[in-house]
Amino acid sequence: AQSVTQLDSQVPVFEEAPVELRCNYSSSVSVYLFWYVQYPNQGLQLLLKYLSGSTLVESINGFEAEFNKSQTSFHLRKPSVHISDTAEYFCAVRGAGSYQLTFGKGTKLSVIP
Amino acid sequence: DAGVIQSPRHEVTEMGQEVTLRCKPISGHDYLFWYRQTMMRGLELLIYFNNNVPIDDSGMPEDRFSAKMPNASFSTLKIQPSEPRDSAVYFCASRPGTANYGYTFGSGTRLTVV
Repeated sequence: AQSVTQLDSQVPVFEEAPVELRCNYSSSVSVYLFWYVQYPNQGLQLLLKYLSGSTLVESINGFEAEFNKSQTSFHLRKPSVHISDTAEYFCAVRGAGSYQLTFGKGTKLSVIP
Repeated sequence: DAGVIQSPRHEVTEMGQEVTLRCKPISGHDYLFWYRQTMMRGLELLIYFNNNVPIDDSGMPEDRFSAKMPNASFSTLKIQPSEPRDSAVYFCASRPGTANYGYTFGSGTRLTVV
C-alpha cells in the first residue's frame, strides 16, 4: 500500500514570490507520482507527473517537481507565482502494477496581491 | 471530447432519501473511479471499475452505498438511505488502460443531506 503526506495544509505567498509545496510518500514498491490542481468548484486537473527517466518534471505553466527517491519526496515548486495559481494542490502516488491513485490531503495555495 | 461528465452538479436531499449520482466517462477509457472529498478526510477512493467490472470496492463506507456500471459509457453511485454525514463532493474519474496516463476527473457532484 502507498501513502502520501502533504505537510502544509495552507500556504500563503505574495505574488511573484517563489513557492514550494511539500509532498512525501511511502511505498514498498516503485511508484509513479502526480500533482493535481483543483480550482474552486472544479474537479482535479493533472498538473504534472513522474513516471520514469528524468527526475525533474515540468508543467506548461511554470511549475516543476523533482522526484527524490532517497528522501521519498516529490516537492512542487514555482519560482514566481501569479494570482491565478491560487488553488488547492494534491500530490498523488500510484504503485507499480496498481491502477489506484492515493492522494494526499491537499495544500491550499493562496497568492496575495 | 467533452471530458468526464457528472450529474447533477448539486444535490440537496433529506435524510433517508435515496440519492443517485451519475457519471459518463471519456469514450475509450477502460477504468472508472468514484472518489469522495470531504474537509476531514480529503479524497477517498470508494470503488473502481475496469471494463465495467467492479475491481475494488473496499472504500465503499457502508452497505448504504452501491455502484454500478451497466455499460462502458455510464456509471451510477447510489446512496440509500442517505445520512447527513454523506454530505461531500463526489468525483468520478476515468483513464485509459495505458499506464502512462493520469486520471481525468469530472467536475463533481456536491451532495448535501439535511
